[in-house]
Amino acid sequence: KQEVTQIPAALSVPEGENLVLNCSFTDSAIYNLQWFRQDPGKGLTSLLLIQSSQREQTSGRLNASLDKSSGRSTLYIAASQPGDSATYLCAVRPYSSASKIIFGSGTRLSIRP
Amino acid sequence: DVKVTQSSRYLVKRTGEKVFLECVQDMDHENMFWYRQDPGLGLRLIYFSYDVKMKEKGDIPEGYSVSREKKERFSLILESASTNQTSMYLCATSGGWRGNTEAFFGQGTRLTVV
Repeated sequence: KQEVTQIPAALSVPEGENLVLNCSFTDSAIYNLQWFRQDPGKGLTSLLLIQSSQREQTSGRLNASLDKSSGRSTLYIAASQPGDSATYLCAVRPYSSASKIIFGSGTRLSIRP
Repeated sequence: DVKVTQSSRYLVKRTGEKVFLECVQDMDHENMFWYRQDPGLGLRLIYFSYDVKMKEKGDIPEGYSVSREKKERFSLILESASTNQTSMYLCATSGGWRGNTEAFFGQGTRLTVV
């Protein structure tokens, strides 16, 4: 059974720092991995999608990497800003059940001004 | 841009009421999902649909049903609302039959059952 883990559950860093959020998954048989952002009381906003054949994707200050063989993904945020404060979730689409999306429990990020 | 619209941001319903949560998408996506999100439990899949009139149970379908009569609309029905169904409900969509496409979420519905 596919499991997705995000550690740490919470992270607080000063503004301007570069930071890395981690995501690990137990089964490498996935179609893709997706990173989302969630603000309090809101829905999920898609940040980056990495297909299983890709190693990384970039969007602005965000860079996501994927290492399927080791079951890991990282989300790198450059020059963090207070507006980056949110919960970040990763999710995978497994081969075994492509219609399902398996989520991690998220990392709550706080950027201190 | 993909738009996934949930009919209400906030709902307050009484125990025993029949509750309808509506989700509409404008991108002709085959797959639609309903999740609930609770503190400490994360996102849990209630039901998903991969085509019109097609549905499959997720991890926690008890007390819920769904309807998909048109491709763009996926409804979640609480047959008889109970207080333990107080939660944030999230609708999502994705295209393609192999599941290798991006998923998009609505803004969420915060349901309170009193």
